[in-house]
Amino acid sequence: AQSVTQLGSHVSVSEGALVLLRCNYSSSVPPYLFWYVQYPNQGLQLLLKYTSAATLVKGINGFEAEFKKSETSFHLTKPSAHMSDAAEYFCAVTNYNQGGKLIFGQGTELSVKP
Amino acid sequence: KAGVTQTPRYLIKTRGQQVTLSCSPISGHRSVSWYQQTPGQGLQFLFEYFSETQRNKGNFPGRFSGRQFSNSRSEMNVSTLELGDSALYLCASSTAGPGQETQYFGPGTRLLVL
Repeated sequence: AQSVTQLGSHVSVSEGALVLLRCNYSSSVPPYLFWYVQYPNQGLQLLLKYTSAATLVKGINGFEAEFKKSETSFHLTKPSAHMSDAAEYFCAVTNYNQGGKLIFGQGTELSVKP
Repeated sequence: KAGVTQTPRYLIKTRGQQVTLSCSPISGHRSVSWYQQTPGQGLQFLFEYFSETQRNKGNFPGRFSGRQFSNSRSEMNVSTLELGDSALYLCASSTAGPGQETQYFGPGTRLLVL
């Protein structure tokens, strides 16, 4: 079985500060990992994904994530937070034989203070 | 290309009624997945359809059902609504196959059961 744990349901940073959102996964087979962002009253937008190529993945809006197999982690970072980054972020896992089934973490709400 | 569209965007129903939600995938996408999002349970996978066949199913009661048409549009139906079915229902589409394919999400249908 696969699972995802996001550490911290709420994270608050100052504008211009580093953003670090933590995601740990559990999977008995090589995982595919995703980060999605959700703005209020909207669906999910893909930020980036890991599918067994480069372990450092760059996404949209300046976000990136590093796949660390030894730590079973896929943390999301952004060097400098912007007010527009305030949203809820979801980490998700699947694998090659799960078809369209994504397993999501509980989400982390990011607040950005001016 | 137009994104994933979901109709209606908002619904209010009463307990015991049934409801049908519709999802039109991105043109060319053959896989459609459905997710339920609630504050308590987070994002949970309902089912996935590919080429009019249910390929994967989550742990929901039989009151939740779906189907996919030959043009890849999908509907989900919830019969005998319960208060706990109040949620945001998200639909996602992808091109086809294995789990590394990116799923693109629609804006969701917000269902309130009174």
